[in-house]
Amino acid sequence: GESVGLHLPTLSVQEGDNSIINCAYSNSASDYFIWYKQESGKGPQFIIDIRSNMDKRQGQRVTVLLNKTVKHLSLQIAATQPGDSAVYFCAENEAAGNKLTFGGGTRVLVKP
Amino acid sequence: EPEVTQTPSHQVTQMGQEVILRCVPISNHLYFYWYRQILGQKVEFLVSFYNNEISEKSEIFDDQFSVERPDGSNFTLKIRSTKLEDSAMYFCASSENSGGFGGELFFGEGSRLTVL
Repeated sequence: GESVGLHLPTLSVQEGDNSIINCAYSNSASDYFIWYKQESGKGPQFIIDIRSNMDKRQGQRVTVLLNKTVKHLSLQIAATQPGDSAVYFCAENEAAGNKLTFGGGTRVLVKP
Repeated sequence: EPEVTQTPSHQVTQMGQEVILRCVPISNHLYFYWYRQILGQKVEFLVSFYNNEISEKSEIFDDQFSVERPDGSNFTLKIRSTKLEDSAMYFCASSENSGGFGGELFFGEGSRLTVL
């Protein structure tokens, strides 16, 4: 996909290990945050979201943590699998708006 | 599983030509969006559309861009006179609700536009 870029930060992780991907956001008015996964040749795929009145939300093998004090969002992937290899984007949405602002993306490479 | 479909997957055009990118959103969705991603860069919001009108647009979405829902199923993005810097992957998305919590956006696989 077009998220492939020369300067994406890359996280290499061993299959079975846990992954943590971090994201900093700047807009203090943002109240909704989402993590997307983008595989090569495909569009962004929703993983998990969280509202600003929460600090943690869990899904299947994924956990999102939100620290509004330092404007930091993280995605934890448990027991990373080869199919988790992709570029991961965080995105934020303002309460009054209807648009997502995406972060720059992190490439995750899972080593067998 | 329902999905957003986009055509063409890749279009090559000459600078100054008009381009129309097409999208079929998920059938029960009411909110539609276009985003773009220049190679190696972030995904950027272009426009959102609801109830047959633009609800929000970015600075990128200037007078050269327009969107239309010509019938009950298609959602199009038109670029009137393409520039080299319009080369990007264009993603259509749709959501059942207004895109906040609970209004998950579903993205299509993108249309790559190459302007020569």
